[in-house]
Amino acid sequence: DVKVTQSSRYLVKRTGEKVFLECVQDMDHENMFWYRQDPGLGLRLIYFSYDVKMKEKGDIPEGYSVSREKKERFSLILESASTNQTSMYLCASTPEADRARSYNEQFFGPGTRLTVL
Amino acid sequence: LAKTTQPISMDSYEGQEVNITCSHNNIATNDYITWYQQFPSQGPRFIIQGYKTKVTNEVASLFIPADRKSSTLSLPRVSLSDTAVYYCLVGPLFSGGYNKLIFGAGTRLAVHP
Repeated sequence: DVKVTQSSRYLVKRTGEKVFLECVQDMDHENMFWYRQDPGLGLRLIYFSYDVKMKEKGDIPEGYSVSREKKERFSLILESASTNQTSMYLCASTPEADRARSYNEQFFGPGTRLTVL
Repeated sequence: LAKTTQPISMDSYEGQEVNITCSHNNIATNDYITWYQQFPSQGPRFIIQGYKTKVTNEVASLFIPADRKSSTLSLPRVSLSDTAVYYCLVGPLFSGGYNKLIFGAGTRLAVHP
């Protein structure tokens, strides 16, 4: 089974702190994603990466950056955390289309609930 | 970009069939429709995907009319364990188009005894 793990389930940080959220997948997937999930808004894509050192902005990249130095690891960085970044953060991965069992099947991690005080 | 609209919540009882409809009026020719299920404290899980007409797997069926402006996820004989949030997702399949995937706000399904 595909496994996507996230470094923390719960995280509490203070305003202005630099925050790192780590995501690791063990299935050699090319594509990785970071979403945030807020009540009533569903999932919103922050950034995604289709290869090592490659990244693309999603719908809400402001205030975030990402890093993909290795294929299995995709990091989300909050340079200076703010209270409006309090949210559930979800990481996902998916293989290239020609290897996918079913296209658009993204495999999600359990999420990190981040609280910024 | 195709935006989706779903009911915010639905209630059902064990053993009933549940149909959740998603509206996507601006769906593009190369867009597929995908549904995910999410339990509390877990990430979403892929359920089913289709392009047109009907698709069925061991979990659900997906009905898509000819104009593709809406789709209906059908869950046969639901149980308490089907209580979850269901997301409708519209977007292309090809690599590089992932930034065009849009998750709707989701439908919270509550199944009662």
